[in-house]
Amino acid sequence: SAVISQKPSRDICQRGTSLTIQCQVDSQVTMMFWYRQQPGQSLTLIATANQGSEATYESGFVIDKFPISRPNLTFSTLTVSNMSPEDSSIYLCSASITGLAGNEQFFGPGTRLTVL
Amino acid sequence: AQKITQTQPGMFVQEKEAVTLDCTYDTSDPSYGLFWYKQPSSGEMIFLIYQGSYDQQNATEGRYSLNFQKARKSANLVISASQLGDSAMYFCAMREENTGNQFYFGTGTSLTVIP
Repeated sequence: SAVISQKPSRDICQRGTSLTIQCQVDSQVTMMFWYRQQPGQSLTLIATANQGSEATYESGFVIDKFPISRPNLTFSTLTVSNMSPEDSSIYLCSASITGLAGNEQFFGPGTRLTVL
Repeated sequence: AQKITQTQPGMFVQEKEAVTLDCTYDTSDPSYGLFWYKQPSSGEMIFLIYQGSYDQQNATEGRYSLNFQKARKSANLVISASQLGDSAMYFCAMREENTGNQFYFGTGTSLTVIP
């Protein structure tokens, strides 16, 4: 298994500002993922972050809005840029690790973002 | 088409009773994995149980068991002897071998355990 931490755990931000969320894994992992979970909804994959290459974004998400860094095998950041109230969500970081269940995904505790 | 379908937005169960949370999936990939996660109000996603498409037996983990019916493409989660701490959102997810590590999540079921 893996222990994943995220900072901040929650934040309240003003419209038009940006927030960077940090994700730290306690072991080296090849693939990390960023998800968004809007209130009362399921998880939506924003992007896959591989170390040493550009993040791969899912349909509906763009790098200018959600820039991602992956400087090493244990760390990633997601920035939510030029925020609007529609960006209010839980943002979850996850890491794919090979375990008994094949490629399992472990999740961080999430960052609750409220945009006013 | 939806990869994962959870048709029960909300469920109630009496404490100490068993409850089944439904999940159906859609894939043409012969190799896939099915997962259940629990999300309490704190927001973290907790891995509960896994079933591989080639597994012959239904997966079990303590009070959790997965009723895997491959021909019907269903992977229902059974929670036995429900506890108050089981109240949470439950998400079914699938990973297809062909798409690598991407997980597809259902819309979730909110379970409330009644004392």
